[in-house]
Amino acid sequence: SQQGEEDPQALSIQEGENATMNCSYKTSINNLQWYRQNSGRGLVHLILIRSNEREKHSGRLRVTLDTSKKSSSLLITASRAADTASYFCATVDKAAGNKLTFGGGTRVLVKP
Amino acid sequence: NAGVTQTPKFQVLKTGQSMTLQCAQDMNHNSMYWYRQDPGMGLRLIYYSASEGTTDKGEVPNGYNVSRLNKREFSLRLESAAPSQTSVYFCASSELGGVSQPQHFGDGTRLSIL
Repeated sequence: SQQGEEDPQALSIQEGENATMNCSYKTSINNLQWYRQNSGRGLVHLILIRSNEREKHSGRLRVTLDTSKKSSSLLITASRAADTASYFCATVDKAAGNKLTFGGGTRVLVKP
Repeated sequence: NAGVTQTPKFQVLKTGQSMTLQCAQDMNHNSMYWYRQDPGMGLRLIYYSASEGTTDKGEVPNGYNVSRLNKREFSLRLESAAPSQTSVYFCASSELGGVSQPQHFGDGTRLSIL
């Protein structure tokens, strides 16, 4: 079963625009992580936000977490063609120990 | 700096054949994981090893076995492959249990079972 559900499933934008994707989850979490996957490659960790944090930045990435709504968003500012990838949220469920549960991902296409 | 290395990268099997997927990490991580990724879905955890000498079932363990050979290596075995096991398999590792640590992934093994 998938804990996180990303929205939208796919996103197409022009280079320079911002990309926003959302993740909703069902249970209480310890933290939420975002990963990027380029075509044919493994996942790369982008950012981790703990359950007591509301916002976190890393370079052009901004992640928010709203535990009352059980949702998170990932914003990529000033997108580049190299940002074309699938983006996954993953939660660490308080009841599931140290295991990550992944959502189905958002496919982002940045057109030059 | 290899990180997490998976072998083979591609494999085609016939139904009923067996094979072992190999994974090794050079980051001195304690925890290792095996996932499968099917089209349109996120990764699902098959088995994990929180530390050397321990293994536990994940969400979809049926049809698989694992061995934590040493701190570096964690292998996944399909004893009698079935078409439903056609997937991309990813190995990952983390410094501690994944609660507060990111996971580092290999580039996957693409497995087709005919």
